Amino acid sequence: DAKTTQPPSMDCAEGRAANLPCNHSTISGNEYVYWYRQIHSQGPQYIIHGLKNNETNEMASLIITEDRKSSTLILPHATLRDTAVYYCIVRVAANFGNEKLTFGTGTRLTIIP
Amino acid sequence: GAVVSQHPSWVICKSGTSVKIECRSLDFQATTMFWYRQFPKQSLMLMATSNEGSKATYEQGVEKDKFLINHASLTLSTLTVTSAHPEDSSFYICSARDVRASGNYEQYFGPGTRLTVT
Repeated sequence: DAKTTQPPSMDCAEGRAANLPCNHSTISGNEYVYWYRQIHSQGPQYIIHGLKNNETNEMASLIITEDRKSSTLILPHATLRDTAVYYCIVRVAANFGNEKLTFGTGTRLTIIP
Repeated sequence: GAVVSQHPSWVICKSGTSVKIECRSLDFQATTMFWYRQFPKQSLMLMATSNEGSKATYEQGVEKDKFLINHASLTLSTLTVTSAHPEDSSFYICSARDVRASGNYEQYFGPGTRLTVT
């Protein structure tokens, strides 16, 4: 699976949009971009994933550049509960035998009141 | 939504004893479950992949005789840390894949078990 690069930490004011970048310059054509987050002392929580089109769900939006070498996770109106470590992971489509998720160091996002 | 539970949520044991951690998928069946370990201020590291009815596949560097994994049913996988030592103290997290899922899907994670070996 392709490696990802994320800033180690970011701050965002409560109520503002949090934009978390991720570089994945070696991504292959069949690899998806996944985002998970981990609130302190809890298991990771799935947020969103995409292949090449921008995606939006009730939690966030995912913007993938046209060359697919980077992406941005957007939390539109950050709250204090969004304080967590956010992991960007690239992985091939999950078929039996290759579902492994390889977690990097992620971005520690702190929402400031 | 899909829920994965772990039991216990935390455990303290003495060095040399064994500890069993359970991972259950509550509202779906899971043919595959994954076990991760996370040390303080570090990321999750995959330890092993557990498939129902077959032997687990361990990642490089993980001792299969020390970390025993059993996946006897479609809703339960267990991780037993045998002869635990203080360096085994960590946050153990499981995840599960819905057996009905095909193609692209997400894994569902449990809340984790904090093990402290004294």
